[in-house]
Amino acid sequence: QKEVEQDPGPLSVPEGAIVSLNCTYSNSAFQYFMWYRQYSRKGPELLMYTYSSGNKEDGRFTAQVDKSSKYISLFIRDSQPSDSATYLCAIGESASKIIFGSGTRLSIRP
Amino acid sequence: ETGVTQTPRHLVMGMTNKKSLKCEQHLGHNAMYWYKQSAKKPLELMFVYSLEERVENNSVPSRFSPECPNSSHLFLHLHTLQPEDSALYLCASSQEALGLNYGYTFGSGTRLTVV
Repeated sequence: QKEVEQDPGPLSVPEGAIVSLNCTYSNSAFQYFMWYRQYSRKGPELLMYTYSSGNKEDGRFTAQVDKSSKYISLFIRDSQPSDSATYLCAIGESASKIIFGSGTRLSIRP
Repeated sequence: ETGVTQTPRHLVMGMTNKKSLKCEQHLGHNAMYWYKQSAKKPLELMFVYSLEERVENNSVPSRFSPECPNSSHLFLHLHTLQPEDSALYLCASSQEALGLNYGYTFGSGTRLTVV
């Protein structure tokens, strides 16, 4: 079993839809939970990070962590074509032990 | 310049060549990283320099050699690479304090092709 699992997609939704992206992990010691967005030909860009269970909101983005289920989610409200990118979860137990998911490719149809 | 800058953006090299990738961060961060990104695979951590100490991933072949002369600059020296080393090489930096990490800032990467 991989330490971090992420559905690679691709995921295609119409503009304005709510998008749900998810990752599962296996190590209960993990305490860093991050989401990155990567546009084509660019490096990943940090969207959200959290160290605790619960929800964290930033504009149209909400990160959710359920440590009991070892499951994290990123929700995008009112999705826009500019949200089309690959989304990477990153989970780990220390600063130098972050494991990335394989990424979910998201396409928002106008 | 702001953020994390990587040069060159693209590199084509033969298997017998020696080249270096350069990374510079202008954020005042105290940790720098090299990651390898191959198609349809997760980002793989290669090397970490945290508070000037190097932490290695033992699965990285010796044909990759990092150098971190100061907290703002990071190099990855390449020699006698193999075609399977072709990938996007990403540099990142972060600020670490009291064992916490506040997320990475990545550069745009160097697209390496080994022929």
